[in-house]
Amino acid sequence: DAKTTQPPSMDCAEGRAANLPCNHSTISGNEYVYWYRQIHSQGPQYIIHGLKNNETNEMASLIITEDRKSSTLILPHATLRDTAVYYCIVRVPYNFNKFYFGSGTKLNVKP
Amino acid sequence: EAQVTQNPRYLITVTGKKLTVTCSQNMNHEYMSWYRQDPGLGLRQIYYSMNVEVTDKGDVPEGYKVSRKEKRNFPLILESPSPNQTSLYFCASSPGPLRETQYFGPGTRLLVL
Repeated sequence: DAKTTQPPSMDCAEGRAANLPCNHSTISGNEYVYWYRQIHSQGPQYIIHGLKNNETNEMASLIITEDRKSSTLILPHATLRDTAVYYCIVRVPYNFNKFYFGSGTKLNVKP
Repeated sequence: EAQVTQNPRYLITVTGKKLTVTCSQNMNHEYMSWYRQDPGLGLRQIYYSMNVEVTDKGDVPEGYKVSRKEKRNFPLILESPSPNQTSLYFCASSPGPLRETQYFGPGTRLLVL
């Protein structure tokens, strides 16, 4: 599975959009991009995933560049409860081996 | 309610005393996995199971055993715990291929003295 690079931390004002970047320059054609988050020491929570088209669900939007070497997770109206560590993961769906989380981005949403 | 449960949630033990952390899911998921989380090292996969009686090693399997005798349960066994196994442990389950978003349990915080 391709490795990812994320900034260690980011700040965002409450009510504003939070844009979390992820670099995955070595991604291969059959690898998907997944985003999870972990609030404090709770179990990680799935947010969204995609292959090459932009995706949106009730939690967030995922924007993947045309060359697929990077992506951005967008939380449209961040709240204090969105303060968490966000993990970008790139992997092949059928590859159950080694689900690699990396160190993620700590998002601090401030009042 | 669909969920992954772990027991115990907190455990303090001593070196060498065998222990088991249970994990159960009620979603009929095929895939289950164990992770440990340590400061500065993130989440690391210990073992995973693709179905009943099918298990394999993750990134850090040393010192751990698992079994998958039933689809819903995936216990993590520490035969002879050591202080370097002090960590936060998470169990996760997933429906399987193409729908393999993982659902995580609440975590088990283990301290080995």
